[in-house]
Amino acid sequence: DADVTQTPRNRITKTGKRIMLECSQTKGHDRMYWYRQDPGLGLRLIYYSFDVKDINKGEISDGYSVSRQAQAKFSLSLESAIPNQTALYFCATLRTEAFFGQGTRLTVV
Amino acid sequence: AQSVTQPDIHITVSEGASLELRCNYSYGATPYLFWYVQSPGQGLQLLLKYFSGDTLVQGIKGFEAEFKRSQSSFNLRKPSVHWSDAAEYFCAVGAIGGYQKVTFGTGTKLQVIP
Repeated sequence: DADVTQTPRNRITKTGKRIMLECSQTKGHDRMYWYRQDPGLGLRLIYYSFDVKDINKGEISDGYSVSRQAQAKFSLSLESAIPNQTALYFCATLRTEAFFGQGTRLTVV
Repeated sequence: AQSVTQPDIHITVSEGASLELRCNYSYGATPYLFWYVQSPGQGLQLLLKYFSGDTLVQGIKGFEAEFKRSQSSFNLRKPSVHWSDAAEYFCAVGAIGGYQKVTFGTGTKLQVIP
């Protein structure tokens, strides 16, 4: 099993819909992150969490929310999806290095 | 605020040639530095990391990187590139201790030609 698992791997949704991306990890790390990847822009941090009670905004948090349900689970929600949120989303955990999930390719039409 | 600059968006090298990918960082204290590789359709895999000590670090797949504090650089090198090295490479910087965020560069896409 992968250390960091993201579901779904691919998703197409309509503008205005609410969608949740889920992430679970088996590393036992406290720190979890959601990044968004766009061509030419690298990975940009959306939200990060240092424990269940600690949630922090990253550089591009507008339009997104997160929930840390347990140490191992960190979900990302798009409350009302819009086309410019079409991207590849990565969840990661961190201790002395970042461990990434395989990514979720989200398309908003 | 910490930041990473990868000045080369796209690099093409011939198989067997040497490779150097550039990375410059900005961070006020001693940084963690990383290089990640992303093959098409895949997640990111750690190639190597620098925390302290020897400024020349060895990684997987024959890659190495050198930390130069005076130049705020952490360039990635490989003496002989293989076709399977074609991928996108990301340099990243993170904080030591306290709140840990990892900031990524915009990536360098490597093309390998026969």
